[in-house]
Amino acid sequence: QITLKESGPTLVKPTQTLTLTCTFSGFSLSTSGVGVGWIRQPPGKALEWLALIYWDDDKRYSPSLKSRLTITKDTSKNQVVLTMTNMDPVDTATYYCAHSIIVGAIGPHFDYWGQGTLVTVSS
Amino acid sequence: QSVLTQPPSASGTPGQRVTISCSGSSSNIGSNYVYWYQQLPGTAPKLLIYRNNQRPSGVPDRFSGSKSGTSASLAISGLRSEDEADYYCAAWDDSLSAHVVFGGGTKLTVL
Repeated sequence: QITLKESGPTLVKPTQTLTLTCTFSGFSLSTSGVGVGWIRQPPGKALEWLALIYWDDDKRYSPSLKSRLTITKDTSKNQVVLTMTNMDPVDTATYYCAHSIIVGAIGPHFDYWGQGTLVTVSS
Repeated sequence: QSVLTQPPSASGTPGQRVTISCSGSSSNIGSNYVYWYQQLPGTAPKLLIYRNNQRPSGVPDRFSGSKSGTSASLAISGLRSEDEADYYCAAWDDSLSAHVVFGGGTKLTVL
């Protein structure tokens, strides 16, 4: 069965860089059509997509955050890492990673999600 | 301000049919599939509808999706108390280097 789990700091200071790791099992990120995405949700607010990486190392980023984000994968470790630079209190949110597959066409097909990790940005 | 526009709230009584709308543009809904997610309080989102109107296994057929032009809708028939949740639409957007866009979410209350 497919599972994903996010890990990383729960508290970061403004201007610091956040590094989050998504460790997954039940699938391989070297399988054609498979991807892992990151989505965040500020407390009481809507979902916001951040980034997506596919089996072929194709990477997509939110245009509004692209300059601050980097997504990478380590297929041998079954991990995907997201880094976000220059953190600000408005970046306080629950960060989710999710399994994605291409079904017919590329799209936000996130069928398995991690439990999420709350990251607070405060000095 | 979300790229996809949803009503912030919707409500219905048990057994009723409710619909939630999602409005976009030619670069997202107008040219790509629409997805719907259900988020129960305190939990991660769950994929409810993919490719406009397809249900993953395990999702009751009370949930249905449709799309017309640059708008989409999620319909829930036979409303149940456990359907009380936040619902989000999402789509791929072809503008500014293809990316994912979500709606602002609709909080569904079962009265």
